[in-house]
Amino acid sequence: GQQVMQIPQYQHVQEGEDFTTYCNSSTTLSNIQWYKQRPGGHPVFLIQLVKSGEVKKQKRLTFQFGEAKKNSSLHITATQTTDVGTYFCAGPFYMNYGGSQGNLIFGKGTKLSVKP
Amino acid sequence: NAGVTQTPKFRVLKTGQSMTLLCAQDMNHEYMYWYRQDPGMGLRLIHYSVGEGTTAKGEVPDGYNVSRLKKQNFLLGLESAAPSQTSVYFCASSYPPRGIFTGELFFGEGSRLTVL
Repeated sequence: GQQVMQIPQYQHVQEGEDFTTYCNSSTTLSNIQWYKQRPGGHPVFLIQLVKSGEVKKQKRLTFQFGEAKKNSSLHITATQTTDVGTYFCAGPFYMNYGGSQGNLIFGKGTKLSVKP
Repeated sequence: NAGVTQTPKFRVLKTGQSMTLLCAQDMNHEYMYWYRQDPGMGLRLIHYSVGEGTTAKGEVPDGYNVSRLKKQNFLLGLESAAPSQTSVYFCASSYPPRGIFTGELFFGEGSRLTVL
């Protein structure tokens, strides 16, 4: 079945180091979304990418969507303690007929810890 | 603006007991979802609804029932709770897909359920 895989599962960095999480889909996606969940909190939407090869930046965060629209990455430059949390990617879940009803299939997330 | 509100936030049940989790959203979203989150498993879709009066099964629907009698409310029921249903439950809502865009999910704060 359709899968969205994320690596690594955990990442421990020293404050100021960079961080990258990778997302791979078993199917071509029309778009991909990224969410952040702080410890004890709920997932919060960060961004949606829709174009092949798209790159978007939000301050220290850089999001990329692969040329084949099957993979994506989130890169954080110079991590801060406020970046702590779990980062999820999510893509549309496609029904048997090939269409999407708007459901998202989530990766298992990458848990980032930052040592001050 | 409250967004997505879940009640209760915490609940402890004994095996075999029943309960209902309530989700309410004030954003006039068509779509609503129930996810469960377990350590290392990411977010798994239980049931979803694409509009008032409609519901559909997600990835892990067994042991749960849902109802969407009003557009703003989505109820998740456990008829006979089992320890395997110990989890954090998140409700979310979104707009329907628009072209290649999938609606971003707005999550509630979560409901932590323990089944003894």
